[in-house]
Amino acid sequence: EPEVTQTPSHQVTQMGQEVILRCVPISNHLYFYWYRQILGQKVEFLVSFYNNEISEKSEIFDDQFSVERPDGSNFTLKIRSTKLEDSAMYFCASRTKPSYNSPLHFGNGTRLTVT
Amino acid sequence: EDQVTQSPEALRLQEGESSSLNCSYTVSGLRGLFWYRQDPGKGPEFLFTLYSAGEEKEKERLKATLTKKESFLHITAPKPEDSATYLCAVQASDYKLSFGAGTTVTVRA
Repeated sequence: EPEVTQTPSHQVTQMGQEVILRCVPISNHLYFYWYRQILGQKVEFLVSFYNNEISEKSEIFDDQFSVERPDGSNFTLKIRSTKLEDSAMYFCASRTKPSYNSPLHFGNGTRLTVT
Repeated sequence: EDQVTQSPEALRLQEGESSSLNCSYTVSGLRGLFWYRQDPGKGPEFLFTLYSAGEEKEKERLKATLTKKESFLHITAPKPEDSATYLCAVQASDYKLSFGAGTTVTVRA
């Protein structure tokens, strides 16, 4: 069964450094998402992306964050200058359309640790 | 703002002991309610989608139901492999799913 793949599985970085988290969505999906989950907390929406542009973003997704689809398969999340509070699991997700009969399919996440 | 509240936070069951999880929501214009299962260190895994009040979906020992204000996930005769965190999410806007905090289910043999 097709799946969303994320790399790396674990990233450790120092405060102030830039990180790029990578995702390969399911191939026929058109809508792409990033969510994050701080340890012990709920899964939080960051951003959705469709047709090469951001369609919706949360208040968490400030100027330090950016997303890109650099080619036909990859979808990336960049954090320009990491903070301690950015430590979390970051999940990429994709779906065919934004409808009740098209669920989000999630990857297994990248655990980001900022020291 | 959309609100999704799940209860209880944690549920400990004996194998075979059926129970229900609750997801109550307040949203302007529900466009779908989703149940996911999350295992430790993994991403959420899709279980069900519900759209209309009165709708029911079943998969193995799990059954999800929907009313206008809440959804229930019933676990019938659970097994240890049903131990996981169960997440409820609602779609209100065109694009975003909003998640509840989840119910962590532990089934003892």
